[in-house]
Amino acid sequence: DAKTTQPPSMDCAEGRAANLPCNHSTISGNEYVYWYRQIHSQGPQYIIHGLKNNETNEMASLIITEDRKSSTLILPHATLRDTAVYYCIARVVSNQGGKLIFGQGTELSVKP
Amino acid sequence: DVKVTQSSRYLVKRTGEKVFLECVQDMDHENMFWYRQDPGLGLRLIYFSYDVKMKEKGDIPEGYSVSREKKERFSLILESASTNQTSMYLCASSGGVLVLNYEQYFGPGTRLTVT
Repeated sequence: DAKTTQPPSMDCAEGRAANLPCNHSTISGNEYVYWYRQIHSQGPQYIIHGLKNNETNEMASLIITEDRKSSTLILPHATLRDTAVYYCIARVVSNQGGKLIFGQGTELSVKP
Repeated sequence: DVKVTQSSRYLVKRTGEKVFLECVQDMDHENMFWYRQDPGLGLRLIYFSYDVKMKEKGDIPEGYSVSREKKERFSLILESASTNQTSMYLCASSGGVLVLNYEQYFGPGTRLTVT
């Protein structure tokens, strides 16, 4: 699985868009990019995933560069409840179980 | 919405006790997982199951066992609790289609303290 690199921390003003970058320069063609977040003392929460096209759901948008070497998770209107650690994961989809491995992630602080 | 529930939010047990952690999901998911999460060590997979009565070892199965008698329920058993099993235990589930293996839905976690 490709190594992912994220900034350790970011701040965002409430109501503004939060753009969280992830670098995965060694990603292979069959690796998907998944994003999770974990609010303090809670279980991780799945946000979104993609392969090469941009994706959007009710929580966020995922923009993947054309060369797939990086991606950005966008929270369009951040709220205080979006304060969490955000994890970017690159995984080959297989029938070998589905173990998630979280790196250090980005600690996003949304400020009033 | 997918709902994954865990039997306890906080649990305190004594060394040597047998401990049962229960997890129930309501989305008819094929796959279920048990992880533990410790500061500095991240998320580590203990066991997973991709079908009723099926189980596979994860990265750290020693000292644990699991049971999946019904599709919706996946139990983690600590045969003889030890202090190094003090941790946050997280249950997750996902659908059976391959791309969904990593679209996992987590419970709130059980913070287990072994004294």
